[in-house]
Amino acid sequence: AQSVSQHNHHVILSEAASLELGCNYSYGGTVNLFWYVQYPGQHLQLLLKYFSGDPLVKGIKGFEAEFIKSKFSFNLRKPSVQWSDTAEYFCAVKGPTLNTGFQKLVFGTGTRLLVSP
Amino acid sequence: GAVVSQHPSRVICKSGTSVKIECRSLDFQATTMFWYRQFPKQSLMLMATSNEGSKATYEQGVEKDKFLINHASLTLSTLTVTSAHPEDSSFYICSARVWEDDNIQYFGAGTRLSVL
Repeated sequence: AQSVSQHNHHVILSEAASLELGCNYSYGGTVNLFWYVQYPGQHLQLLLKYFSGDPLVKGIKGFEAEFIKSKFSFNLRKPSVQWSDTAEYFCAVKGPTLNTGFQKLVFGTGTRLLVSP
Repeated sequence: GAVVSQHPSRVICKSGTSVKIECRSLDFQATTMFWYRQFPKQSLMLMATSNEGSKATYEQGVEKDKFLINHASLTLSTLTVTSAHPEDSSFYICSARVWEDDNIQYFGAGTRLSVL
C-alpha cells in the first residue's frame, strides 16, 4: 500500500533562513506527487505538483521541490522563508487507479512550520 | 483557483444527534467529491469518494450507515454524521475535483465537530 512519510513534525525557523521539508513515499509504480499548504484557519492549497518531466518543480511563493526517484523522495525547499510562510505543509502522492476508477490521494502527517520574525 | 465552500466551520452537538456538513463548489462543477477525516497530529484520511448522482464509495473501515454521503448535484455534497458519539469528534474536510483537471483537488476549509 502507498504511504507518505514526513519526518519533521514541527520546524521553527527565523526569517530569511532556508527551508527543506522531507517527504518520502512508498510506492513502486508511477506516481504523481504534491505539496499542499494550509495557512492558519484556511483551506488546503496546492503549492506545487510533479507528474513527469523535469524533476525540479517550481511552485507558488518561491517554493520548489525535487523528485528523486531513487530515493523515493520529494522534498520541499525555499531559499529564504518569510513570517507569512508559517503554516502546515502536507506532502501527498496519488498512485494507482482503484477499482472505483479513482486514484487515491494519500497524505503525509504534515509538518507545522513556524517562522519567527 | 477553484473555490470549495464548507459549512459549518465548527459544530458542537450532543451525543446521539445527527450533524450535516455541506460542501459546495462555488465556481465550478465538481464531478467527484471526497470526504476526509483528520485526527490531531495525523494525516488526512480518505473516508469516501462520491460522484454526482451515484452512491458513495467508502474506504475500508468507514461505516456507510454512520457517515451518510449525498452528492445530489454537481456543486453540492453533504456528509451526515448520524447518531454522533464523542469518538466521532474530529476535523472533517471535503474536496472536489474538476472533470477537466483530473489531477487537482480543491479543498474546503474543514469542519471541526465536537460531540459532547
